[in-house]
Amino acid sequence: DAKTTQPTSMDCAEGRAANLPCNHSTISGNEYVYWYRQIHSQGPQYIIHGLKNNETNEMASLIITEDRKSSTLILPHATLRDTAVYYCIVRVPHTGTASKLTFGTGTRLQVTL
Amino acid sequence: DGGITQSPKYLFRKEGQNVTLSCEQNLNHDAMYWYRQDPGQGLRLIYYSQIVNDFQKGDIAEGYSVSREKKESFPLTVTSAQKNPTAFYLCASSELTYGYTFGSGTRLTVV
Repeated sequence: DAKTTQPTSMDCAEGRAANLPCNHSTISGNEYVYWYRQIHSQGPQYIIHGLKNNETNEMASLIITEDRKSSTLILPHATLRDTAVYYCIVRVPHTGTASKLTFGTGTRLQVTL
Repeated sequence: DGGITQSPKYLFRKEGQNVTLSCEQNLNHDAMYWYRQDPGQGLRLIYYSQIVNDFQKGDIAEGYSVSREKKESFPLTVTSAQKNPTAFYLCASSELTYGYTFGSGTRLTVV
Protein backbone atom coordinates (compact mmCIF):
# COMPACT_ATOMS: atom_id res chain seq x y z
CA ASP A 1 0.00 0.00 0.00
CA ALA A 2 1.25 3.44 -0.87
CA LYS A 3 2.03 5.50 2.20
CA THR A 4 1.81 9.24 2.60
CA THR A 5 4.02 11.80 4.29
CA GLN A 6 2.64 15.09 5.60
CA PRO A 7 4.06 17.83 7.78
CA THR A 8 3.02 17.46 11.40
CA SER A 9 1.62 20.96 11.70
CA MET A 10 1.10 24.22 9.82
CA ASP A 11 -0.17 27.70 10.61
CA CYS A 12 -2.17 29.96 8.34
CA ALA A 13 -3.56 33.47 8.79
CA GLU A 14 -7.28 33.84 8.42
CA GLY A 15 -8.27 34.92 4.90
CA ARG A 16 -5.08 33.62 3.35
CA ALA A 17 -4.73 30.47 1.28
CA ALA A 18 -3.69 27.34 3.15
CA ASN A 19 -1.52 25.00 1.09
CA LEU A 20 -1.16 21.55 2.61
CA PRO A 21 1.42 19.27 0.96
CA CYS A 22 1.46 15.49 0.80
CA ASN A 23 4.05 13.09 -0.55
CA HIS A 24 2.96 9.70 -1.88
CA SER A 25 5.97 8.61 -3.91
CA THR A 26 4.98 4.91 -4.00
CA ILE A 27 1.48 5.47 -5.33
CA SER A 28 0.38 3.02 -8.01
CA GLY A 29 -1.46 3.85 -11.20
CA ASN A 30 -4.95 2.96 -10.05
CA GLU A 31 -4.81 4.55 -6.61
CA TYR A 32 -6.70 7.74 -5.86
CA VAL A 33 -5.61 10.52 -3.53
CA TYR A 34 -8.24 11.47 -0.95
CA TRP A 35 -8.26 14.33 1.52
CA TYR A 36 -10.25 14.35 4.74
CA ARG A 37 -10.24 16.62 7.74
CA GLN A 38 -11.11 15.98 11.35
CA ILE A 39 -12.21 18.65 13.75
CA HIS A 40 -11.51 17.77 17.35
CA SER A 41 -13.62 14.86 18.66
CA GLN A 42 -15.66 14.55 15.49
CA GLY A 43 -15.64 12.05 12.66
CA PRO A 44 -13.47 12.86 9.63
CA GLN A 45 -15.12 14.84 6.86
CA TYR A 46 -14.52 14.15 3.17
CA ILE A 47 -13.01 17.12 1.31
CA ILE A 48 -11.93 16.09 -2.17
CA HIS A 49 -10.30 13.31 -4.17
CA GLY A 50 -8.50 12.86 -7.48
CA LEU A 51 -6.63 10.40 -9.67
CA LYS A 52 -4.37 12.46 -11.93
CA ASN A 53 -6.14 15.68 -12.87
CA ASN A 54 -6.49 18.72 -10.68
CA GLU A 55 -9.84 18.93 -8.96
CA THR A 56 -11.88 21.74 -7.42
CA ASN A 57 -15.07 21.80 -5.40
CA GLU A 58 -16.80 24.22 -3.07
CA MET A 59 -14.45 23.38 -0.23
CA ALA A 60 -11.00 23.15 -1.76
CA SER A 61 -8.71 22.50 -4.73
CA LEU A 62 -6.47 19.49 -5.20
CA ILE A 63 -3.31 19.80 -7.24
CA ILE A 64 -1.61 16.52 -8.19
CA THR A 65 1.84 16.58 -9.77
CA GLU A 66 2.28 15.05 -13.19
CA ASP A 67 4.26 12.11 -11.80
CA ARG A 68 1.55 11.69 -9.09
CA LYS A 69 4.18 11.43 -6.37
CA SER A 70 2.86 14.40 -4.47
CA SER A 71 -0.20 16.58 -4.12
CA THR A 72 -1.33 19.82 -2.48
CA LEU A 73 -4.65 20.62 -0.90
CA ILE A 74 -5.52 24.30 -1.20
CA LEU A 75 -8.06 26.05 1.00
CA PRO A 76 -8.35 29.35 -0.86
CA HIS A 77 -9.53 31.59 1.99
CA ALA A 78 -8.92 29.88 5.32
CA THR A 79 -11.22 30.67 8.24
CA LEU A 80 -10.98 29.80 11.92
CA ARG A 81 -13.43 26.97 11.29
CA ASP A 82 -10.87 25.32 9.02
CA THR A 83 -8.67 24.58 12.04
CA ALA A 84 -8.46 20.79 12.01
CA VAL A 85 -6.27 17.79 11.28
CA TYR A 86 -6.03 17.16 7.55
CA TYR A 87 -5.41 13.65 6.29
CA CYS A 88 -3.98 12.82 2.89
CA ILE A 89 -4.89 9.24 2.04
CA VAL A 90 -4.18 6.93 -0.84
CA ARG A 91 -7.07 4.64 -1.60
CA VAL A 92 -6.19 0.96 -1.45
CA PRO A 93 -7.80 -0.96 -4.28
CA HIS A 94 -9.95 -3.79 -3.06
CA THR A 95 -12.40 -6.30 -4.43
CA GLY A 96 -16.07 -5.48 -4.40
CA THR A 97 -17.23 -2.16 -3.05
CA ALA A 98 -15.15 -2.02 0.10
CA SER A 99 -12.06 0.09 -0.27
CA LYS A 100 -9.93 0.41 2.82
CA LEU A 101 -8.44 3.80 3.57
CA THR A 102 -5.21 3.95 5.52
CA PHE A 103 -4.97 7.01 7.75
CA GLY A 104 -1.68 8.48 8.92
CA THR A 105 -1.32 11.15 11.59
CA GLY A 106 -2.14 14.02 9.22
CA THR A 107 -1.29 17.73 9.35
CA ARG A 108 -2.65 19.82 12.17
CA LEU A 109 -3.65 23.15 10.57
CA GLN A 110 -4.04 26.08 12.91
CA VAL A 111 -5.78 29.12 11.41
CA THR A 112 -5.07 32.31 13.35
CA LEU A 113 -6.43 35.84 13.37
CA ASP B 1 -30.96 13.79 5.90
CA GLY B 2 -28.87 10.77 5.05
CA GLY B 3 -25.97 9.89 7.27
CA ILE B 4 -24.43 7.61 9.85
CA THR B 5 -25.60 7.48 13.44
CA GLN B 6 -23.34 6.17 16.18
CA SER B 7 -24.56 5.62 19.70
CA PRO B 8 -23.89 6.23 22.44
CA LYS B 9 -21.59 9.23 22.20
CA TYR B 10 -19.87 8.34 25.48
CA LEU B 11 -19.63 4.86 26.98
CA PHE B 12 -18.07 3.61 30.16
CA ARG B 13 -17.19 -0.01 30.72
CA LYS B 14 -15.88 -1.93 33.65
CA GLU B 15 -12.89 -4.15 33.09
CA GLY B 16 -13.90 -7.64 32.01
CA GLN B 17 -17.19 -6.59 30.46
CA ASN B 18 -18.21 -6.81 26.84
CA VAL B 19 -19.79 -3.72 25.31
CA THR B 20 -21.50 -3.12 21.96
CA LEU B 21 -21.26 0.09 19.94
CA SER B 22 -24.07 0.85 17.54
CA CYS B 23 -23.69 2.10 13.96
CA GLU B 24 -26.65 2.71 11.64
CA GLN B 25 -26.63 4.25 8.14
CA ASN B 26 -29.42 5.31 5.80
CA LEU B 27 -27.20 6.06 2.82
CA ASN B 28 -27.84 2.71 1.14
CA HIS B 29 -24.09 2.05 1.12
CA ASP B 30 -22.94 -1.53 0.79
CA ALA B 31 -19.59 -1.17 2.55
CA MET B 32 -19.17 -0.30 6.22
CA TYR B 33 -16.10 0.07 8.43
CA TRP B 34 -14.99 0.42 12.04
CA TYR B 35 -11.93 2.44 12.98
CA ARG B 36 -10.23 3.11 16.27
CA GLN B 37 -8.42 6.36 17.12
CA ASP B 38 -6.11 6.90 20.07
CA PRO B 39 -5.12 10.39 21.27
CA GLY B 40 -2.86 12.17 18.78
CA GLN B 41 -2.93 9.21 16.44
CA GLY B 42 -4.43 8.42 13.07
CA LEU B 43 -7.25 5.98 12.47
CA ARG B 44 -6.68 2.23 12.50
CA LEU B 45 -9.04 -0.20 10.79
CA ILE B 46 -10.70 -2.81 13.01
CA TYR B 47 -13.22 -4.56 10.75
CA TYR B 48 -14.97 -3.88 7.47
CA SER B 49 -17.91 -5.36 5.62
CA GLN B 50 -18.62 -5.31 1.91
CA ILE B 51 -22.10 -6.78 2.06
CA VAL B 52 -24.66 -8.25 4.43
CA ASN B 53 -23.49 -11.37 6.30
CA ASP B 54 -19.90 -10.79 5.22
CA PHE B 55 -17.05 -9.05 7.03
CA GLN B 56 -13.26 -9.10 7.15
CA LYS B 57 -10.65 -8.33 9.77
CA GLY B 58 -8.74 -5.10 9.51
CA ASP B 59 -5.36 -4.30 11.00
CA ILE B 60 -6.31 -4.52 14.69
CA ALA B 61 -9.23 -6.98 14.93
CA GLU B 62 -8.06 -8.85 18.03
CA GLY B 63 -10.47 -8.39 20.93
CA TYR B 64 -13.29 -7.13 18.72
CA SER B 65 -16.23 -8.75 16.95
CA VAL B 66 -18.83 -7.51 14.47
CA SER B 67 -21.99 -8.63 12.71
CA ARG B 68 -23.75 -7.48 9.55
CA GLU B 69 -27.27 -8.89 9.60
CA LYS B 70 -28.79 -5.85 7.91
CA LYS B 71 -27.39 -3.50 5.29
CA GLU B 72 -28.09 -0.53 7.52
CA SER B 73 -26.42 -1.80 10.67
CA PHE B 74 -22.86 -2.77 11.60
CA PRO B 75 -22.48 -3.09 15.41
CA LEU B 76 -19.07 -3.51 17.00
CA THR B 77 -18.57 -5.50 20.20
CA VAL B 78 -15.51 -4.75 22.31
CA THR B 79 -14.82 -7.93 24.23
CA SER B 80 -12.98 -8.50 27.47
CA ALA B 81 -10.11 -9.86 25.36
CA GLN B 82 -9.28 -6.35 24.16
CA LYS B 83 -6.50 -5.32 26.52
CA ASN B 84 -6.63 -1.57 25.96
CA PRO B 85 -10.13 -0.65 24.83
CA THR B 86 -10.18 3.00 25.88
CA ALA B 87 -10.32 4.94 22.60
CA PHE B 88 -12.46 6.91 20.16
CA TYR B 89 -14.36 4.59 17.80
CA LEU B 90 -15.52 5.70 14.38
CA CYS B 91 -17.91 3.98 12.01
CA ALA B 92 -17.98 4.77 8.29
CA SER B 93 -19.67 3.67 5.09
CA SER B 94 -18.76 4.05 1.44
CA GLU B 95 -19.75 3.57 -2.16
CA LEU B 96 -17.39 2.44 -4.88
CA THR B 97 -16.92 5.82 -6.52
CA TYR B 98 -17.15 8.28 -3.67
CA GLY B 99 -15.36 8.62 -0.40
CA TYR B 100 -16.26 7.64 3.08
CA THR B 101 -19.00 9.09 5.24
CA PHE B 102 -18.15 8.95 8.93
CA GLY B 103 -20.29 8.96 12.02
CA SER B 104 -19.65 11.31 14.92
CA GLY B 105 -17.92 8.63 16.97
CA THR B 106 -18.23 6.88 20.33
CA ARG B 107 -15.73 7.57 23.08
CA LEU B 108 -15.23 4.43 25.16
CA THR B 109 -13.60 4.60 28.57
CA VAL B 110 -12.74 1.63 30.76
CA VAL B 111 -13.20 2.38 34.44
